[in-house]
Amino acid sequence: DTAVSQTPKYLVTQMGNDKSIKCEQNLGHDTMYWYKQDSKKFLKIMFSYNNKELIINETVPNRFSPKSPDKAHLNLHINSLELGDSAVYFCASSSRGGNNEQFFGPGTRLTVL
Amino acid sequence: AQSVTQPDIHITVSEGASLELRCNYSYGATPYLFWYVQSPGQGLQLLLKYFSGDTLVQGIKGFEAEFKRSQSSFNLRKPSVHWSDAAEYFCAVGVNTDKLIFGTGTRLQVFP
Repeated sequence: DTAVSQTPKYLVTQMGNDKSIKCEQNLGHDTMYWYKQDSKKFLKIMFSYNNKELIINETVPNRFSPKSPDKAHLNLHINSLELGDSAVYFCASSSRGGNNEQFFGPGTRLTVL
Repeated sequence: AQSVTQPDIHITVSEGASLELRCNYSYGATPYLFWYVQSPGQGLQLLLKYFSGDTLVQGIKGFEAEFKRSQSSFNLRKPSVHWSDAAEYFCAVGVNTDKLIFGTGTRLQVFP
């Protein structure tokens, strides 16, 4: 009965590789998000999708490409990984509206060597 | 620009002591305000939120927070801390497009 799930939980890869992180929510929400948490625990939004449509793109490098095949899924593909991409990536979902709670997944810890 | 400030990076309290975590925000309109908690290796869990009405809001796990518009603050309180409250606490402001802007977090350590 997991609400927001992410796979994988850990991802270790070499610089220059391409990798994907998957996110699924079973809460019936129409809005999904990707956040990046750096080594100092600072959380910053990267993308937001509403009904499969991109609504927030926070000056993230083009190497990051989100894909939403349906309302329940929002995947994150990263090309040409760099050392600075090492972080914990959180997926979240909510109903539309700024006062609605965002439900977070457990996070994916990405380590780029 | 919208921003959230959590002045205390790290707080240490004894179990049973009271707790107050500070949060100040900068936002032009009426803010939606949230407190989230992150336990080690976990995702974020909502403790409480404010968007209108009573300025003192109650949350889960015995937490409460008070919205003070004149001080642009939304401080989190708990009268008696338990060892299981040790975690990272994030204050956030919700802006019009569903975006959450987070503070830098306060790490709470609880001593027995």
